[in-house]
Amino acid sequence: AQSVTQLGSHVSVSEGALVLLRCNYSSSVPPYLFWYVQYPNQGLQLLLKYTSAATLVKGINGFEAEFKKSETSFHLTKPSAHMSDAAEYFCAVSDEGANNLFFGTGTRLTVIP
Amino acid sequence: DTEVTQTPKHLVMGMTNKKSLKCEQHMGHRAMYWYKQKAKKPPELMFVYSYEKLSINESVPSRFSPECPNSSLLNLHLHALQPEDSALYLCASSPISDGPYEQYFGPGTRLTVT
Repeated sequence: AQSVTQLGSHVSVSEGALVLLRCNYSSSVPPYLFWYVQYPNQGLQLLLKYTSAATLVKGINGFEAEFKKSETSFHLTKPSAHMSDAAEYFCAVSDEGANNLFFGTGTRLTVIP
Repeated sequence: DTEVTQTPKHLVMGMTNKKSLKCEQHMGHRAMYWYKQKAKKPPELMFVYSYEKLSINESVPSRFSPECPNSSLLNLHLHALQPEDSALYLCASSPISDGPYEQYFGPGTRLTVT
């Protein structure tokens, strides 16, 4: 079965500092991987997706993620945090040919001025 | 148009009421989803419709009844809910293709059951 694990339910960074949110996946087949962001009282917005075309994926708002098969990881990074990045971030995985998304438990990012 | 809309934004209902949540998309997506999200938790899949037919029901209680009248519209009918059903209900849609199945989410309906 597909699953993802997000290490750290809460991450705090200073404004301008590197953002690193961790996601490890468990899959018996090459997965499709996604990062979503959720601002308070809003729906989820797709940040980026991994589709096997390239291991380094660039998304919106300056975020990127690198797929590392040897580490079964898909960590999300951003070089310099902005106050507007404060939100909940979810990593998700799906199988090819499946309609289901399996979400991680989420990481709340706080940005300190 | 890359938007999924949901109405109402907020809903308060008693345990004996009947109400409906509405979701609409005009992106030509043929898969639509209902999720339930409790505070500080990830979304939990409830139902999936593919080509207007129910394809997945994640053992959801019968007091939740989904309906897909056409390819753009998805409803969730609510009846005799319990206070523990209070949550954010999210609708999503996606293309049906070889993948990947990125889903586009609406803003949600905040439901409170009193």
